[in-house]
Amino acid sequence: DTGVSQDPRHKITKRGQNVTFRCDPISEHNRLYWYRQTLGQGPEFLTYFQNEAQLEKSRLLSDRFSAERPKGSFSTLEIQRTEQGDSAMYLCAGHGTLGNTIYFGEGSWLTVV
Amino acid sequence: GDSVTQMEGPVTLSEEAFLTINCTYTATGYPSLFWYVQYPGEGLQLLLKATKADDKGSNKGFEATYRKETTSFHLEKGSVQVSDSAVYFCALDNYGQNFVFGPGTRLSVLP
Repeated sequence: DTGVSQDPRHKITKRGQNVTFRCDPISEHNRLYWYRQTLGQGPEFLTYFQNEAQLEKSRLLSDRFSAERPKGSFSTLEIQRTEQGDSAMYLCAGHGTLGNTIYFGEGSWLTVV
Repeated sequence: GDSVTQMEGPVTLSEEAFLTINCTYTATGYPSLFWYVQYPGEGLQLLLKATKADDKGSNKGFEATYRKETTSFHLEKGSVQVSDSAVYFCALDNYGQNFVFGPGTRLSVLP
């Protein structure tokens, strides 16, 4: 158990709808990452937070995507006007102050139909 | 930019066979190197890591040695089990930048 939990685990939505995913890391994870993983591929970086500050965003993160970490604890990733190409697993990972390892949650599967 | 290359899968082995999954990287400086494992329908789990040249990471019978001269971090296990069937990802962390992952190598171990 990595201590990182994600919700929901699975989401099926119609094209054009908005979806939101939530990530709850443990309190020691001052840094939080979001990755996207499609079938047969490795995780692709989307964005990361240092506490509540969003420090880096990938060019994969189009303007339909927004991520927040309002109090430096949990984080949300919202996708507006979903497209079929958004179908993927969205992974959250936490990184603590000690060591340089990131710990992943179980992921949130998104299927856009 | 930084990148990680892994041998293409799938790799299919019989139980108790020797496993090698090759990983090479391109990065400036001295990144930390990792192997993560992903079982079906789950997130990634850290398998082992090495933070400097010549370090050997090991866990659950798996080993990998950080070779700076060849920019490699090959994963090995002397005797695989059916339960080792999963996808294995090599990754690097270059001092606080985002982690960069390879495409993954699927391993299937047959009884």
